[in-house]
Amino acid sequence: SQQGEEDPQALSIQEGENATMNCSYKTSINNLQWYRQNSGRGLVHLILIRSNEREKHSGRLRVTLDTSKKSSSLLITASRAADTASYFCATGYNFNKFYFGSGTKLNVKP
Amino acid sequence: DGGITQSPKYLFRKEGQNVTLSCEQNLNHDAMYWYRQDPGQGLRLIYYSQIVNDFQKGDIAEGYSVSREKKESFPLTVTSAQKNPTAFYLCASSIGAHRQVNQPQHFGDGTRLSIL
Repeated sequence: SQQGEEDPQALSIQEGENATMNCSYKTSINNLQWYRQNSGRGLVHLILIRSNEREKHSGRLRVTLDTSKKSSSLLITASRAADTASYFCATGYNFNKFYFGSGTKLNVKP
Repeated sequence: DGGITQSPKYLFRKEGQNVTLSCEQNLNHDAMYWYRQDPGQGLRLIYYSQIVNDFQKGDIAEGYSVSREKKESFPLTVTSAQKNPTAFYLCASSIGAHRQVNQPQHFGDGTRLSIL
């Protein structure tokens, strides 16, 4: 299977805490992307990390990629209630084809 | 504002009926995609198009058809052959496979299709 698998499936934390989500995959990739989906909406792109990169930051988001372990993690620091959403990793292959995992449902309690 | 517009937001299909979901983008992107999302699940690729007048089947193309006559438009028809069409359908676009790789996808807000 070429799609990633997120872990955990659901995560509930208090506002201000950090949230960490993981994504594992099985076949070599060109890139890995993280997306957020609010309930009933489309996906919003968060970060893209290329296969030759190890870490990227964007605001309160930090993504790591370990190609030897075929895994990635998304860290959201100082979470807010507005971060409540589902988060998906998408593994990217040739010809800009992507495979999405089933997502991690994050609930940030105020 | 540039973006992707999907319509309608909600759609109901009768037994034996074909329905068409609209997807329009003004981002000047070459590549466009259709995904299906079932409750609590990830996205599964139905069809994708890397350039006008060309498209390829994704992982679950049976019961669906597409056309790409214009760069801006990539409509999806859910045919009567699709026996379980109830789902959330998402359209996306990206700059393009041939010019650049490693590009993010931009998504519309989806169409929710239900059976009457």
